[in-house]
Order: sequence, then structure tokens, then C-alpha cells
Amino acid sequence: GAVVSQHPSWVICKSGTSVKIECRSLDFQATTMFWYRQFPKQSLMLMATSNEGSKATYEQGVEKDKFLINHASLTLSTLTVTSAHPEDSSFYICSARDGTGTSNQPQHFGDGTRLSIL
Amino acid sequence: QKEVEQDPGPLSVPEGAIVSLNCTYSNSAFQYFMWYRQYSRKGPELLMYTYSSGNKEDGRFTAQVDKSSKYISLFIRDSQPSDSATYLCAMSGNQFYFGTGTSLTVIP
Repeated sequence: GAVVSQHPSWVICKSGTSVKIECRSLDFQATTMFWYRQFPKQSLMLMATSNEGSKATYEQGVEKDKFLINHASLTLSTLTVTSAHPEDSSFYICSARDGTGTSNQPQHFGDGTRLSIL
Repeated sequence: QKEVEQDPGPLSVPEGAIVSLNCTYSNSAFQYFMWYRQYSRKGPELLMYTYSSGNKEDGRFTAQVDKSSKYISLFIRDSQPSDSATYLCAMSGNQFYFGTGTSLTVIP
């Protein structure tokens, strides 16, 4: 149980393009989803917390107009990297929390999206 | 002081060895403790989840929590090359915190 699907797994696109990444909880409802960025051989960096039906909460230093998050249902959150540039190239990972969304439930992660901007 | 401290390694052991991975934390409000395994270019996978002091065993993995010392451990018995990965500890109270991860290589 507790499977999170993330799509696409790898995307290469030109500078200036907007890229959408989907995160789905397949067998549970997730009132809260999280978006992380990870650089090579570094730990996860939380970008934003996405709550179903409300605006996402962004971490300090993360541009909300650059990284648009939509959590329209209990099983789907999307991250759109707008007007992507080479410095946005990274590994993006989503996670979802089961149940009522209390912070005590473990997060379940997708397999990540490798974004390469040329 | 960071909320969660984890030695990044790298840690290299021969196949069959017992591996000990550790994290310390400073916030006594943490009540739930997790260990994740992350293979290269994959998302973290939940290995162990516990909310009390003591030991929890699952196959070759044992998670140990010592709340009085604010110290958690993950033991891997009979380590296999397939255990080679980065292991992240995580804990939560009001918020969720990850360690930086320990890179483990099990040599055949």
C-alpha cells in the first residue's frame, strides 16, 4: 500500500519552456503533499507543502510564481516550473501523507522527476 | 544546532557485515521516527516507522529509538550489495525533519 506515482520520470526541454510534473497517491487519499528538490549527493530540500483545496505553503527562498503548485484533489498535486532555465535543472520529488494529514504520519515518496533544461 | 544530525559517510562494508546507521536530534517534541532508503535517481522508500523508545524489527532491519538520549539507529544484519543506497532518518512532531542521509556501499 501507500504508493505514490510521479510523472514524468525524466524530461528534457528548452530554456523558456514550462514543465508540469504530476504526483498521484494511488491507493490512499492525501490531504497533504510535499514537493522537494534534490541536488546530486545532497539531501532533500523542501520547496513547498501542498494542501488539497488551498494555496500551497512555500519555503523561504522558493519563488511561488516560478514553481506553481496545484492540489485540486485528494489524490493529485502538480508542480509547474514556469519559464524554466538551466539553473532549474534538478531532481524533483513529491511525497504524500496518508490519513488526516497529521504530521505524525510518514511521508510516501514518488520516484522523482529528473528535469534537464537545455 | 540542526534539528537532526546524521553522519553523511560514506560508509563501506563487506557483504554479510552488520551495519549501524545513526541520527541524533535536539527537539524533545519529536515523537515519530522513520528510516528511508534512497537508491540513486529514485525517491526515498519508507523502511521503518516507529513512535516509541525501544526496538522494532522487520526482517534484516532493526530500528532503535532512545528518546532519553535523543538518538536513533538503524541496524542492517547480513548486509547485501542490494542494500547499497543512501539512508535517511526522519522524525516528526509538529513538523517533519530529515537527516542529510548516510551513503552506504556493501562490497561483494
